[in-house]
Amino acid sequence: DVELVESGGGLVQPGGSLRLSCVASGFIFSRYSMNWIRQAPGKGLEWVAHISGPSTITYYSESLKGRFTVSRDNAKNSLYLQMNTLTVDDTAVYYCARDGGGHVPFDYWGLGTQVAVSA
Amino acid sequence: IQLTQSPSSLSASVGDRVTISCRASQGVSDYLAWYQQKPGKVPKLLIYSASSLHSGVPSRFSASGSGTDFTFTISSLQPEDVATYYCQDYSNAPFTFGPGTTVDIK
Repeated sequence: DVELVESGGGLVQPGGSLRLSCVASGFIFSRYSMNWIRQAPGKGLEWVAHISGPSTITYYSESLKGRFTVSRDNAKNSLYLQMNTLTVDDTAVYYCARDGGGHVPFDYWGLGTQVAVSA
Repeated sequence: IQLTQSPSSLSASVGDRVTISCRASQGVSDYLAWYQQKPGKVPKLLIYSASSLHSGVPSRFSASGSGTDFTFTISSLQPEDVATYYCQDYSNAPFTFGPGTTVDIK
């Protein structure tokens, strides 16, 4: 079965950094693009970043202003999100999701990891 | 591309037909998906390619549309359908989600 497990969340001060991880299993990880999506408390879903299977293509939400970097290690079946210069507005649950490929979008999601930015 | 959903919330009785609208500011062809997020749970893909039912999704869920105007329908609302429903444009990055429509039972 496909499984995505995020980790690395926690409490961080404004201006700080955090690195999120997502470990995948149950499918050939290198063949699929992956995404990060976040959800602030009581708010809707916000797409954050996308990375292709071989890491040749990355896309980011313009709202991030270049503070986040998505990467992956296919040998470790792992997806990462490096988050720098964090602000209180980055407080959210961060989900990783598999891009199903072809015409299928985000078909599998992890349970999410909570990031709280507060002084 | 901006997505708007209407209504933002609705309350209906069990067995009712429920319809949600999603409108895109520009055409997205049929690269439109619908997700369900139950309270405290992870979003779940229901519909892709504007009208294709994802594997394992009950047939009471359906959707239609192309270009800029899309409709999501629950043919007979069940108690387990209480959730927020999001449309998503995945034609090109950014892969924008709509603001969501919250559905509950009257």
